[in-house]
Amino acid sequence: GAGVSQTPSNKVTEKGKYVELRCDPISGHTALYWYRQSLGQGPEFLIYFQGTGAADDSGLPNDRFFAVRPEGSVSTLKIQRTERGDSAVYLCASSRDPRDSKFFGPGTRLTVL
Amino acid sequence: GQQLNQSPQSMFIQEGEDVSMNCTSSSIFNTWLWYKQDPGEGPVLLIALYKAGELTSNGRLTAQFGITRKDSFLNISASIPSDVGIYFCAGINNTDKLIFGTGTRLQVFP
Repeated sequence: GAGVSQTPSNKVTEKGKYVELRCDPISGHTALYWYRQSLGQGPEFLIYFQGTGAADDSGLPNDRFFAVRPEGSVSTLKIQRTERGDSAVYLCASSRDPRDSKFFGPGTRLTVL
Repeated sequence: GQQLNQSPQSMFIQEGEDVSMNCTSSSIFNTWLWYKQDPGEGPVLLIALYKAGELTSNGRLTAQFGITRKDSFLNISASIPSDVGIYFCAGINNTDKLIFGTGTRLQVFP
C-alpha cells in the first residue's frame, strides 16, 4: 500500500505479558518514528530511527520498551512485562528524511488487562 | 513529555462559520505541521510550513509559520460537518524530533 501500515490494529494482553507491535513505513522513507497517544492527549514521542539505527530514543519511558529496525524498513516496538499504564494507542510515522513531513499509520490500540 | 501549547482546547461552531486555532512554544521550530485526527485513526497531515513567515493554503485551510518561529495558526473557512475532529499542531525542532500540541477538538453543528 501507499501509506504507513501497522499491525495488529488492536492488541489485548494481560499484565506481565510481552507484546510486539509492527510498523511498515512508506517505501523509501528513511526516517521512522514511534509515538504513544493516551486518551484525550496529543501523541508523545518515543523513539526515532534514521535507517537502521535509533537516532533518538529519549522518549522511551523505561527499559521495558525497546524498538528495532534491522533492515532500515519495517520496525518492531517491543514491550516486556506489560503494565496497565502501558495501555494506549501506539502510532508509527515515517518521512523521506528527518526534516520532511511525517505521515502516520492508523495506530495499534494496546489494552493491558 | 514536551508538548506545545494549543488553543482553544475545544470549539463548538455552526456550519459555515470560520475557525481559528493557534499553537505557541517557548522554543523555536524549523518546521510546523498541522494534522487532523478522527476517532480510531492516525493523524492525517493537512498543511506543512517550512519557513518563518510562510503563509500556506490548502483549500479552505490556511496556516502560517510565525516570524519568531515559536508559533503557528490554522484557519478553516466556511466550516462543514466533516471538519469535525481533533486538530493538532506539531513542530520539528533542531534535533529533528516532532513535538505535538495538546489538540483542539472541533465540533460543527448543522
